[in-house]
Amino acid sequence: NAGVTQTPKFQVLKTGQSMTLQCAQDMNHEYMSWYRQDPGMGLRLIHYSVGAGITDQGEVPNGYNVSRSTTEDFPLRLLSAAPSQTSVYFCASRDLLRYEQYFGPGTRLTVT
Amino acid sequence: SQELEQSPQSLIVQEGKNLTINCTSSKTLYGLYWYKQKYGEGLIFLMMLQKGGEEKSHEKITAKLDEKKQQSSLHITASQPSHAGIYLCGAGTNYGQNFVFGPGTRLSVLP
Repeated sequence: NAGVTQTPKFQVLKTGQSMTLQCAQDMNHEYMSWYRQDPGMGLRLIHYSVGAGITDQGEVPNGYNVSRSTTEDFPLRLLSAAPSQTSVYFCASRDLLRYEQYFGPGTRLTVT
Repeated sequence: SQELEQSPQSLIVQEGKNLTINCTSSKTLYGLYWYKQKYGEGLIFLMMLQKGGEEKSHEKITAKLDEKKQQSSLHITASQPSHAGIYLCGAGTNYGQNFVFGPGTRLSVLP
């Protein structure tokens, strides 16, 4: 099993550009989520999904869109990047009945 | 909303020394999770505690949840350089599917 994979590992964007961070898991987990990690603030939940076709907002959803068309994939879209979105983004998945999460390696995003 | 605090913020110890990291919740915990993050990498699950007074160990790491289920400690015995990283506590909310993390404790172990 590859577990949770994320692409790209690094990305530099200019303000106003759009892009999609990819996340995939091969563990048949119903629950998938996106976090951002900023110095001194730990991880904050952006969006999550409890199954295909179902998404919901986390703590910091503004500026991000998600969709869940399949169990395996959960892309995160930045429609108009802002410097405040410079961060490290982690995707995670878990079985719906357990809180033990499996994390991807992260995407380091810089917005200039 | 539930918030988790961790102390200390950072810790530097000599190899072989014992250390403790604390995690405190503003509300009763319905499950407390400890994760470790190596610098520049994703998080790795360590342990989960659910019952008041519960204690779990894995190799040289022991985690405890107090009786009131609002505080947890992570204790490392005879630390090694491989223990270095960021330790984060996390908790699920008692409703919905949200999950919150503490700010993390950065541990350095000097050889």
